[in-house]
Amino acid sequence: QVQLQESGPGLVKPSQTLSLTCTVSGGSISSGSHYWTWIRQPAGKGLEWIGRIYRNGNTAYNPSLKTRVTISVDTSKNQFSLKLSSVTAADTAVYYCAREGLLGSGWFDPWGQGTLVTVSS
Amino acid sequence: EIVLTQSPGTLSLSPGERATLSCRASQSVPSSYLAWYQQKPGQAPRLLIYGASSRATGIPDRFSGSASGTDFSFTISRLEPEDFAVYYCQQYGGSPWTFGQGTKVEIK
Repeated sequence: QVQLQESGPGLVKPSQTLSLTCTVSGGSISSGSHYWTWIRQPAGKGLEWIGRIYRNGNTAYNPSLKTRVTISVDTSKNQFSLKLSSVTAADTAVYYCAREGLLGSGWFDPWGQGTLVTVSS
Repeated sequence: EIVLTQSPGTLSLSPGERATLSCRASQSVPSSYLAWYQQKPGQAPRLLIYGASSRATGIPDRFSGSASGTDFSFTISRLEPEDFAVYYCQQYGGSPWTFGQGTKVEIK
């Protein structure tokens, strides 16, 4: 079955850019009809949808983060990536990648295990 | 943006009891595009219900969901020890997709 795995630095300095990659295994980003998504969760808090990308590069972002977020896809590597610029302590969170349901159904399954990113100098 | 309000914040129950969780949307959620997730400490959320009432693959039938207008309900008919966790609702009827703040189901 499809599995997702996040990777990237666990520590980012304030004002810098957070960069994460999600590697998909057990299925191909380029052959399915799914969107691929990033979600984050600050410690002890709820979940926030960051944005999503389709295999052709079409994206949608949460307006609350839109000016700082870029999501890209590399179908040759079966990966998609998140960049979040000008980070502050408020961006400290566990970041999850996930697959959306078929044809833009916006439920998420499966999820990666998550990766903690701390913003601190 | 559609705001989802979950209640109660915490539900204290014993194994074998019935758990009923609520999720109220600030506006209509088209086509009942609402999902429920379970999250245990240190784990990613797990999809349980989508389309307000459809169980995801492999989810036991003790988990169920329903919808009535802007009110959504999630029920665990008989709590098993592994069901004690935090539950989130999520809407995907209007962008941006949003989540409720969660309901913790704890052992009484």
